[in-house]
Amino acid sequence: QLQLQESGPGLVKPSETLSLTCSVSGGSISNSTYYWGWVRQPPGRGLEWIGSVLYTGSSYYNPSLASRLTVSVDTSRNQFSLKLSSVTAADTAVYYCARPLRPSSLNVFDVWGQGTLVTVSS
Amino acid sequence: EIVMTQSPATLSVSPGERATLSCRASQSVSSNLAWYQQSRGQAPRLLIYGASTRATGIPARFSGSGSGTEFTLTISGLQSEDFAIYYCQQSNNWLSFGQGTKVEIK
Repeated sequence: QLQLQESGPGLVKPSETLSLTCSVSGGSISNSTYYWGWVRQPPGRGLEWIGSVLYTGSSYYNPSLASRLTVSVDTSRNQFSLKLSSVTAADTAVYYCARPLRPSSLNVFDVWGQGTLVTVSS
Repeated sequence: EIVMTQSPATLSVSPGERATLSCRASQSVSSNLAWYQQSRGQAPRLLIYGASTRATGIPARFSGSGSGTEFTLTISGLQSEDFAIYYCQQSNNWLSFGQGTKVEIK
């Protein structure tokens, strides 16, 4: 059974870089053509797609975040990662990693991590 | 960017009754529309994709319809575990979500 688990600091200072990792178990990132994704949810608000990455490193980013965003993959550790620079309080959110239902394209997410809360505060 | 608008923001329904939720896209997304359920403190759960196909393990009381810009999620015979927040998501052009509809107990 595929499982995803987010990890990283729960508190980041304004203007610094938010870094999170998603560890995948029960399946191999490099044996599939899924675009592994990140989605966030500010407290009490809706969902926002952040970006998605293929095992080759090919990626898609939300245009509203692209200038600050890097999504990468480490196939040797079966992980993919998110780096968001120059964060502000508006980046405070629960961050989810997720796998899409179908390979080879951006589409809906059917497997989700439990989410991790990241607070941006000094 | 495709903007997804859900209505109503909150829907009050009695257990056993039917709930009808709407989602509108700012431009056509064909049938590339999904619905998710999110219970408090939980990750979203995929209910419907392709506008009308139930995901694995989703009960038949959940049904989706629509195409283009207008979509509906219907929950027939609401059960206690169905009171949650529901989000629509389009995947026709990048990915974007609606702001959610909260289904609460009347």
